[in-house]
Amino acid sequence: GAGVSQSPSNKVTEKGKDVELRCDPISGHTALYWYRQSLGQGLEFLIYFQGNSAPDKSGLPSDRFSAERTGGSVSTLTIQRTQQEDSAVYLCASSLLFTDSPLHFGNGTRLTVT
Amino acid sequence: QKEVEQDPGPLSVPEGAIVSLNCTYSNSAFQYFMWYRQYSRKGPELLMYTYSSGNKEDGRFTAQVDKSSKYISLFIRDSQPSDSATYLCATNTGFQKLVFGTGTRLLVSP
Repeated sequence: GAGVSQSPSNKVTEKGKDVELRCDPISGHTALYWYRQSLGQGLEFLIYFQGNSAPDKSGLPSDRFSAERTGGSVSTLTIQRTQQEDSAVYLCASSLLFTDSPLHFGNGTRLTVT
Repeated sequence: QKEVEQDPGPLSVPEGAIVSLNCTYSNSAFQYFMWYRQYSRKGPELLMYTYSSGNKEDGRFTAQVDKSSKYISLFIRDSQPSDSATYLCATNTGFQKLVFGTGTRLLVSP
């Protein structure tokens, strides 16, 4: 079946602009995650949606970052007033809602802020 | 101190070599230990995971966890050029909110 789909695959934006990144999880996966991967930094947890519960936003680096998940499926990560340090690959992952259910990642959106 | 430490490499080996990739972690509460493989411009894909201490083998890959020393290892036997990728270790008390290492870049030359 289809995997996690992210769009766009690449995004170049000017400093100060807002961007929206989209994630379509695997059908039936009730858990959805956003991670950020910067060069030499590994994957950094951003936010976690778990079923109908309130999202865990503990990893969002500033109030310029927000995310929503509509209808328990598609998620959008929004970055307002982008800064150069926001340049990174933003990865979305989904999983079933069990403790030992592995994460399935999309191929990410490569964001470049000029 | 990062919760998970991993040598970024790159690690260069000839085809057929045995590869050893390692991570250390700081939180003794971590119970799940995973290895992800990431090809260039792709998302990470789960290779193996283990729960608590011990070994797990899958084909040419063996994952090993030593909780007493907080040390995670991945061994690749008979390495192939197609194994060239970045290998990320990850851990947590569950699969949620995984804590990742920075990844080790592996290059296997023919």
